[in-house]
Amino acid sequence: AQKVTQAQTEISVVEKEDVTLDCVYETRDTTYYLFWYKQPPSGELVFLIRRNSFDEQNEISGRYSWNFQKSTSSFNFTITASQVVDSAVYFCALSEALYNQGGKLIFGQGTELSVKP
Amino acid sequence: SAVISQKPSRDICQRGTSLTIQCQVDSQVTMMFWYRQQPGQSLTLIATANQGSEATYESGFVIDKFPISRPNLTFSTLTVSNMSPEDSSIYLCSVVGPTGDRFEQYFGPGTRLTVT
Repeated sequence: AQKVTQAQTEISVVEKEDVTLDCVYETRDTTYYLFWYKQPPSGELVFLIRRNSFDEQNEISGRYSWNFQKSTSSFNFTITASQVVDSAVYFCALSEALYNQGGKLIFGQGTELSVKP
Repeated sequence: SAVISQKPSRDICQRGTSLTIQCQVDSQVTMMFWYRQQPGQSLTLIATANQGSEATYESGFVIDKFPISRPNLTFSTLTVSNMSPEDSSIYLCSVVGPTGDRFEQYFGPGTRLTVT
């Protein structure tokens, strides 16, 4: 069965600290995509990254970095030197290619990140 | 990326009534979806809105409760029928991006619904 687990429901850090948000997934498919989205208090969902199952290279975008490890079925997200504007709920999501013709996203429960000044 | 708007952005409704939410995209898109996010919860797919045919509903969601229309490639509506307080949620429209890649998905700003 397909599933996404974000074990950390809430994380609180002080500005400039580094923080890692964990994501573990389960899938029956060999071809799949993983995503991270940010949901600020205003409610909209902001796309951050997509990674396919054949690309295990880590990615860095500014203060954001992602670590994809198929061996542990994890796709963790690190924010370096966190800022107050990073405060939001972050969702990890999975989309299977073979069993999902419609692009359906399966979301984790989300991690609420609070960055205090 | 596609620019998506939703109307209304929020509403407070009485139980037993119905609300229709509109989703408008600034370009033609192949696929449109409706998700629900209950308070403090994650997002759950309600249905895929199919242009010119009936929507495809996920397990636990039925057409009588959540009728969906998609008259063209840029517009869709979701109706929440006979509402109860349990329907209080954020409802989000999402679309597959203009490239047609079904794994490139963008979300609208959401409609925050409160049922009293």
